[in-house]
Amino acid sequence: DVKVTQSSRYLVKRTGEKVFLECVQDMDHENMFWYRQDPGLGLRLIYFSYDVKMKEKGDIPEGYSVSREKKERFSLILESASTNQTSMYLCASSLDGGLGEQYFGPGTRLTVT
Amino acid sequence: GDSVTQMEGPVTLSEEAFLTINCTYTATGYPSLFWYVQYPGEGLQLLLKATKADDKGSNKGFEATYRKETTSFHLEKGSVQVSDSAVYFCAEGGSNFGNEKLTFGTGTRLTIIP
Repeated sequence: DVKVTQSSRYLVKRTGEKVFLECVQDMDHENMFWYRQDPGLGLRLIYFSYDVKMKEKGDIPEGYSVSREKKERFSLILESASTNQTSMYLCASSLDGGLGEQYFGPGTRLTVT
Repeated sequence: GDSVTQMEGPVTLSEEAFLTINCTYTATGYPSLFWYVQYPGEGLQLLLKATKADDKGSNKGFEATYRKETTSFHLEKGSVQVSDSAVYFCAEGGSNFGNEKLTFGTGTRLTIIP
């Protein structure tokens, strides 16, 4: 079974704090993704990565950065958290040639106060 | 760019009712199509998929057929159960070689009442 884990299920941070969200997958997948999920907006892609040390901006990268130093780990960084970054964050991974099928982690609900 | 439009919710049905959730897409090439389901408090999990025109994906009593002529992938179930209450997402992707991104619809919240 593919397993994607995220470091926290719930997180509360203060405005201006630097926030790290970690994601680990155990199936040697090349591709990893970070989304945020908001009511009425569905899933929006923040960043994705096709390989170690490689990253591409998604649809809403502003205010975020990412790091992929090892194949199995993909980190999302909020350099200076703001209240409009309060959201559910979902990590996913997929196999090259997998025709797009993605495997999701359980999500991290981040609240910025 | 690619886009997915799905039926807005919320949808409330009685147990054993017939379910349809509409989904249409715009994409270049020949994308794969997916339905994902999100149960309360959980991440998304794949419900079913179809990778080429006229393919039918099926799982847990749900079905969807890849209709290229109408660019649609409607989700159906003949008799829903309370346990089907969840948010359902239609998605398309993999239409360009090496591009593994998915484009998701906004989701449809389904509630089944006993």
